[in-house]
Amino acid sequence: AQSVTQPDIHITVSEGASLELRCNYSYGATPYLFWYVQSPGQGLQLLLKYFSGDTLVQGIKGFEAEFKRSQSSFNLRKPSVHWSDAAEYFCAVVGGSGNTPLVFGKGTRLSVIA
Amino acid sequence: DSGVTQTPKHLITATGQRVTLRCSPRSGDLSVYWYQQSLDQGLQFLIQYYNGEERAKGNILERFSAQQFPDLHSELNLSSLELGDSALYFCASSPRGTVAGELFFGEGSRLTVL
Repeated sequence: AQSVTQPDIHITVSEGASLELRCNYSYGATPYLFWYVQSPGQGLQLLLKYFSGDTLVQGIKGFEAEFKRSQSSFNLRKPSVHWSDAAEYFCAVVGGSGNTPLVFGKGTRLSVIA
Repeated sequence: DSGVTQTPKHLITATGQRVTLRCSPRSGDLSVYWYQQSLDQGLQFLIQYYNGEERAKGNILERFSAQQFPDLHSELNLSSLELGDSALYFCASSPRGTVAGELFFGEGSRLTVL
């Protein structure tokens, strides 16, 4: 069964600084990978997704992620963080043909300081 | 606004009671998913319906049940409630033809069992 590990429970960055959130997945074949964001008191919103092709994918709100098969990773990046980016970020995976339910990591809470 | 509506937003009840959580998916979406979010377990997939039929089942307790009605809204029934059932319950829907990971989430129903 597929699984996702987000090693960092909480990260604090300064506004304007770059950001990288780590995600490692476990799945035998090429998975479908996702990043979701959950702002306080809100539901989850899809940031970006990777199915195949170019390993660097662009998402909403200036985020990007890079799929690295050799490292089983799908790290999320943003060159300059804004205070409004403070939220919980979830990496998720769907295995097989893309018809199995989404499996989430435990999440990384991002705090942004001035 | 994701277009997915969940009611009620907050619910406080006592152990042993039964509650029903309601979800209206985005217009045109045939798939509905239910997830449970708690501090210790994270986001756990409960169950998926597609056009009224159960499609996939996750770690859903026998005390919990769900259904999707002909108008595509869904209800999650939680019975014989225990303290540990306190959590945020999310409903999500997905457009036809997309992989299972491209979900639109509601804002959740926060259940507190006292």
